[in-house]
Amino acid sequence: AIRMTQSPSSFSASTGDRVTITCRASQGISSYLAWYQQKPGKAPKLLIYAASTLQSGVPSRFSGSGSGTDFTLTISCLQSEDFATYYCQQYYSYPPLTFGGGTKVEIK
Amino acid sequence: EVQLVESGGGLVQPGGSLRLSCAASGFTFSSYWMHWVRQAPGKGLVWVSRINSDGSSTSYADSVKGRFTISRDNAKNTLYLQMNSLRAEDTAVYYCARGRGAVADFWGQGTLVTVSS
Repeated sequence: AIRMTQSPSSFSASTGDRVTITCRASQGISSYLAWYQQKPGKAPKLLIYAASTLQSGVPSRFSGSGSGTDFTLTISCLQSEDFATYYCQQYYSYPPLTFGGGTKVEIK
Repeated sequence: EVQLVESGGGLVQPGGSLRLSCAASGFTFSSYWMHWVRQAPGKGLVWVSRINSDGSSTSYADSVKGRFTISRDNAKNTLYLQMNSLRAEDTAVYYCARGRGAVADFWGQGTLVTVSS
């Protein structure tokens, strides 16, 4: 199975900050990567697929980049509603579909 | 409006069985793959199973293979997960998700399964 590793596992930031979350695959996955946001007690929400394609309705301050093994999710100007946990997921080779361990963005 | 509503969770003893349901509305259910994803308390997301649009193809995580069965009834717009031989480590919130292929583009709110004596 392809292993997905996210870094950092958590960090603190302030509203207005530019933040970047990294996801690394244990082998090349081309651009078959999705990003999800999950708030406490809520279901995950798809943000980005195909590494850089924004899901309909997702604010443009979210962006994704990368291909192969290294990917990033960037939030250009952090808003209060963006404090959440973010997960990457590969869909290049399955089963199984695999998620990263998550990155929790907390308020500084 | 797309809606996915899971039901069927609860407390079950180790070795027991449970069937989860996911009622879909607001989209053409029979056109989409569907997935089950679980999340143990305080932990991350783990994919469990998926089924293609007509139910002819399924796949499972190794941890549930042979114990869980995914199925769907397109006439009833409902997805199922039959869970047998349950273990403590199966305790989690189980989410159903609509699949745009392997990408889960819409998720239900989840149902909690607790395996404990």
